[in-house]
Amino acid sequence: DAKTTQPPSMDCAEGRAANLPCNHSTISGNEYVYWYRQIHSQGPQYIIHGLKNNETNEMASLIITEDRKSSTLILPHATLRDTAVYYCIVRANTGNQFYFGTGTSLTVIP
Amino acid sequence: DTGVSQNPRHKITKRGQNVTFRCDPISEHNRLYWYRQTLGQGPEFLTYFQNEAQLEKSRLLSDRFSAERPKGSFSTLEIQRTEQGDSAMYLCASSLDQRFTDTQYFGPGTRLTVL
Repeated sequence: DAKTTQPPSMDCAEGRAANLPCNHSTISGNEYVYWYRQIHSQGPQYIIHGLKNNETNEMASLIITEDRKSSTLILPHATLRDTAVYYCIVRANTGNQFYFGTGTSLTVIP
Repeated sequence: DTGVSQNPRHKITKRGQNVTFRCDPISEHNRLYWYRQTLGQGPEFLTYFQNEAQLEKSRLLSDRFSAERPKGSFSTLEIQRTEQGDSAMYLCASSLDQRFTDTQYFGPGTRLTVL
């Protein structure tokens, strides 16, 4: 599975959009991009995933570049409850495990 | 609540003791995973079951660790002769093996402290 690179930390003002980048330059054609987040002392929470098209659900939007070497998770209106560590993971759909890395610690500021 | 549940949520034990954790997956999910997470790090894969068969084990899973999923439903993770280095959060996840997606849903974890 491809490795991912994320900034270690980011801040975002409450009510503004939070844009979390992820580089996955070695991604292969059958690998999906998954995003999870982990609020302190809780289990990881699934957010969204995609292959090559942009995806949106009730939590977030996922924008994947045309060459698929990077992606951005967008939280459209960040709230204080969105403060968490966000993990970007790429995994083949036939794979059996996620490689989490160290993620991006997002702090939403009042 | 139909999510993944784990018990106990916290466990404190003395070095050398055995501990067992339980995971109840989402009811229709046929895949079950165990991960370990230490402070400041992301979760690390330990092992994975497809129904009752244990199909993959990480090198992190030493011979002191054993996991079972006897009827393809709940799973247990046992650590024998615990060491201080075993102190961590142990996470369970489950998924439904489908053709184009295999999203894992995580439980709240069991935090183990070995004194």
